[in-house]
Amino acid sequence: AQSVTQLDSHVSVSEGTPVLLRCNYSSSYSPSLFWYVQHPNKGLQLLLKYTSAATLVKGINGFEAEFKKSETSFHLTKPSAHMSDAAEYFCVVSRDTGTASKLTFGTGTRLQVTL
Amino acid sequence: EPEVTQTPSHQVTQMGQEVILRCVPISNHLYFYWYRQILGQKVEFLVSFYNNEISEKSEIFDDQFSVERPDGSNFTLKIRSTKLEDSAMYFCASKVSGVSEQYFGPGTRLTVT
Repeated sequence: AQSVTQLDSHVSVSEGTPVLLRCNYSSSYSPSLFWYVQHPNKGLQLLLKYTSAATLVKGINGFEAEFKKSETSFHLTKPSAHMSDAAEYFCVVSRDTGTASKLTFGTGTRLQVTL
Repeated sequence: EPEVTQTPSHQVTQMGQEVILRCVPISNHLYFYWYRQILGQKVEFLVSFYNNEISEKSEIFDDQFSVERPDGSNFTLKIRSTKLEDSAMYFCASKVSGVSEQYFGPGTRLTVT
């Protein structure tokens, strides 16, 4: 079984300040982990992925995430928030890499960016 | 850049009617998926499809649901007799062999009245 827990349903930051969106995972297998972003009335866009290579993963738009096995965490960070980052962010886990494995989504974190 | 497309973007139907949601996955992808997101809830897996058969389905995917790849490009989700609780955003996704990340379409918002 696999699951993810997003610890905050809503995060608000000021433009130019750091972003931290927290995610903990549970998996019986060595997991693949992802962050997807959903802008209002848009589809789900892949931000970044971890698949057992480097533990610090860089994604698009300046986002990063660090896989910490000892803490079962995969938190998403960005040094400086931009207004365009306002969206819903989903932490996602998948069981393995090569088969038809489903994605299991967290409940999402809504990021608000204020001036 | 290739992307997954879905039609229609919004479908309104009456309870008990059949609906077909259509998806065109990325052309060299071999694995296909449907997910749904009820308003205010998280994205849920419905079904995965590979080599012209269902690989896995969730408990949501009961006998009212079916999937089909009728030709080399389309991937469809059919709901035979819609219920009010089927109202949701339905996302199609696809991926290539050997990787785990899936690429999503923009979704179809299904409203059952």
